[in-house]
Amino acid sequence: QVHLVESGGGVVQPGRSLRLSCAASGFSFDSYGMNWVRQAPGKGLEWLAFISFDGSDRSYAESLQGRLTISRDRSENTLYLQINSLRPEDTAVYYCARDLRRYSAYGVPFDSWGQGTRVTVSS
Amino acid sequence: DIQMTQSPSTLSASVGDRVIITCRASQTVGTYLAWYQQKPGKAPKLLISDASRLESEVPSRFSGSGSGTEFTLTISSLQPDDFATYYCQESIRYSRTFGQGTKVEVK
Repeated sequence: QVHLVESGGGVVQPGRSLRLSCAASGFSFDSYGMNWVRQAPGKGLEWLAFISFDGSDRSYAESLQGRLTISRDRSENTLYLQINSLRPEDTAVYYCARDLRRYSAYGVPFDSWGQGTRVTVSS
Repeated sequence: DIQMTQSPSTLSASVGDRVIITCRASQTVGTYLAWYQQKPGKAPKLLISDASRLESEVPSRFSGSGSGTEFTLTISSLQPDDFATYYCQESIRYSRTFGQGTKVEVK
């Protein structure tokens, strides 16, 4: 059974950085592309970043490009998202999500999601 | 980035109603279009991939259609469990943009 557990959220001051983690289990982690998605309070879903199954390809939402770094550790079966220069508008629940199919680079939606980790940016 | 626009933003309906949600892309996405259902406090659930492929264990009252820039999600007979927010998502390139969502509420 696919299991994704995010961690690393909390209250952070504006301008600081944060690294979120997503621990994966129940599937072959190094066979699937992975993503980060966030949802601000009362708002819709916003895709943030993608990393391919082998880590060779990465893409980011244009609006946040330059402040995000997605990475993965196959030995730990863990996905990461580094967010720099945090702003109040980054306050949201951050989800990790798995691509529907193995070895895909694009054209694939998300079939498994974590429960999310909440980030609040406030002084 | 590709822009995805859903309509309506909110839809009031009753149990048994036929419900249609539309999603328009700012440029063609072929059939690289998915639909999700989200309930308050929960992660989204994938309903449909490739514009019309129903995911396993998703009730057959849900269906998707369209290609290019215009897509629809249809619920043939709305059930109590279907009151939720629905999102479309494109995935033609590395980006995976979502629509702004359509909330289906009780009339």
